[in-house]
Amino acid sequence: GAVVSQHPSWVICKSGTSVKIECRSLDFQATTMFWYRQFPKQSLMLMATSNEGSKATYEQGVEKDKFLINHASLTLSTLTVTSAHPEDSSFYICSARGSDGLPYEQYFGPGTRLTVT
Amino acid sequence: GENVEQHPSTLSVQEGDSAVIKCTYSDSASNYFPWYKQELGKRPQLIIDIRSNVGEKKDQRIAVTLNKTAKHFSLHITETQPEDSAVYFCAAVQGAQKLVFGQGTRLTINP
Repeated sequence: GAVVSQHPSWVICKSGTSVKIECRSLDFQATTMFWYRQFPKQSLMLMATSNEGSKATYEQGVEKDKFLINHASLTLSTLTVTSAHPEDSSFYICSARGSDGLPYEQYFGPGTRLTVT
Repeated sequence: GENVEQHPSTLSVQEGDSAVIKCTYSDSASNYFPWYKQELGKRPQLIIDIRSNVGEKKDQRIAVTLNKTAKHFSLHITETQPEDSAVYFCAAVQGAQKLVFGQGTRLTINP
């Protein structure tokens, strides 16, 4: 149980275009989803926290107009990188927390590698 | 907010020896401390965790200790094997709040 999927697993896009990444909880309802960014050889940095039906809460320094997060259902959250630039190239990982489990348990998706050319 | 410091950043040990990774945290209200193993290009995998009401927890070759007074916790891997080579992250969280990760330790097991 507690499986989280991400799509796509990797994507290449041209500078200036937008790309959407999906995060799904497959066998549980995710009341809260987290989006992380991980640059090579660095730790996971939290970008934003989203609760189903509410606006996402962004971490300091993360541009909310550039990284659009939608959590419209209990099983799906999306991250859209708008007007992508090469410096946005990174490994994006989501995690989900259910309503039934312990409050601090998070289940990670497999990640999406974004390359902006 | 919470701040987690992790040391060392790289660790190389001979196969069969033990490895120890240490973390300190700043928020005394933090009450859950997970450890993750991440292989290149993969998701972080929870390998062991400890809650603030426990001082030590062990799962086969892996153990975690917590010192609440000093606000530090450590990961111990005994009888290391080549497949233990990976990047390890500690984290701290208070209740339903967000995870705060350490900087990571790249562990290399030399055959």
